[in-house]
Amino acid sequence: GENVEQHPSTLSVQEGDSAVIKCTYSDSASNYFPWYKQELGKRPQLIIDIRSNVGEKKDQRIAVTLNKTAKHFSLHITETQPEDSAVYFCAASIHNYQLIWGAGTKLIIKP
Amino acid sequence: DAGVIQSPRHEVTEMGQEVTLRCKPISGHDYLFWYRQTMMRGLELLIYFNNNVPIDDSGMPEDRFSAKMPNASFSTLKIQPSEPRDSAVYFCASSQITRKETQYFGPGTRLLVL
Repeated sequence: GENVEQHPSTLSVQEGDSAVIKCTYSDSASNYFPWYKQELGKRPQLIIDIRSNVGEKKDQRIAVTLNKTAKHFSLHITETQPEDSAVYFCAASIHNYQLIWGAGTKLIIKP
Repeated sequence: DAGVIQSPRHEVTEMGQEVTLRCKPISGHDYLFWYRQTMMRGLELLIYFNNNVPIDDSGMPEDRFSAKMPNASFSTLKIQPSEPRDSAVYFCASSQITRKETQYFGPGTRLLVL
């Protein structure tokens, strides 16, 4: 079955710098890759997603890139701000609408 | 829309007691998912339903766990008997057929079994 690995587990960056979180997946049939943000004590919320027919997608300060050949996708956050501090989860989906989740990355923004 | 609603938000119980968690999905959503989140194991899918029918319950840890969806607007996750290792945050999420992979999470139920 599908397996999703996420790195790093913890990422600390200076406010204003960029942050990059990477995920790899095992099943080449995966066709949907969302990213969720979970603030402390809150629910996971979708922040951006990408489908396999697209290589990159941007939404203001966040972007996701997909490399189907290498089977990896990344989340990029530019000009990081204190409110970006959270745990970020990647996931992959094939055809059965079930999401296979990465283990999460704790992003710490240092003032 | 009020979003996915879960109750209770917090539950403290003693080992051996029955626990029932409740979820109301977003109106019109066809899929409902139950997750468990712990520090050690991350986010685990327990079971999911499509049009009130259980599709995959392979994530249910053992027979002590059961889930039902008697209608499109209500689901329960029951643990009987509860054990300390069941302590976790339980999330319910729903999605709709037109955007089936996008899951909307409820606020979660924080369960502590003493």
